[in-house]
Amino acid sequence: QLQLQESGPGLVKPSETLSLSCGVSGGSITSSSYYWGWIRQPPGKGLEWIGRISYSGTAYYNPSLKSRVTISVDASKNQFSLHLSSVTAADTAFYYCARRRQYHLQWGYWGRGTLVTVSS
Amino acid sequence: QSVLTQPPSVSGAPGQRVTISCTGGSSNIGAGYDVHWYQQLPGTAPKLLIYDNTNRPSGVPDRFSGSKSGTSASLAITGLQAEDEAAYYCQSYDSSLSGSMFGGGTKLTVL
Repeated sequence: QLQLQESGPGLVKPSETLSLSCGVSGGSITSSSYYWGWIRQPPGKGLEWIGRISYSGTAYYNPSLKSRVTISVDASKNQFSLHLSSVTAADTAFYYCARRRQYHLQWGYWGRGTLVTVSS
Repeated sequence: QSVLTQPPSVSGAPGQRVTISCTGGSSNIGAGYDVHWYQQLPGTAPKLLIYDNTNRPSGVPDRFSGSKSGTSASLAITGLQAEDEAAYYCQSYDSSLSGSMFGGGTKLTVL
């Protein structure tokens, strides 16, 4: 059974870079059949797609975050990562990693999520 | 920016039927992209409930059903149960975003 697990600091200072990793178990991140993504949710609010990446490293980002976001794959660790620079309080949210099939646009597997708070 | 519009809240008594709408535009639902629905129980991650407009993943009760027409989609829940109290989100692909777009979410209250 596929499992995704987010990890990273729960507190980030304003203007710094938020960095999270998503460990994948029960499946290989190098499979060409899947895309790996990040989705966030400010406390008490709705879901926002951040971006996704394929095993080959091709990434697509939400235009509203594109200038600050990088998603990368580390095949040796079977994980992928999110880096969001110049954070502000508006970036405080639960961050979820997720997986979808290449030609199917629904997110079938989700991690449990991790809360990242931006505060000095 | 295109959005998927959902009612903020719906409610129903146990055993009743409720529907949740999701209205999009020409760059997402209206462009023919499929709609998917997620259930988010309090304090948990979203869970896929309906995919490709009408399909249920294994383990999802048939009390949940989806439909799509034109630029809108709907989620129907029949035989409401207390455990259905959750937030529900629709999602589609948006060509202007080149990625996933989510609705604002609907909080279902079981009276």
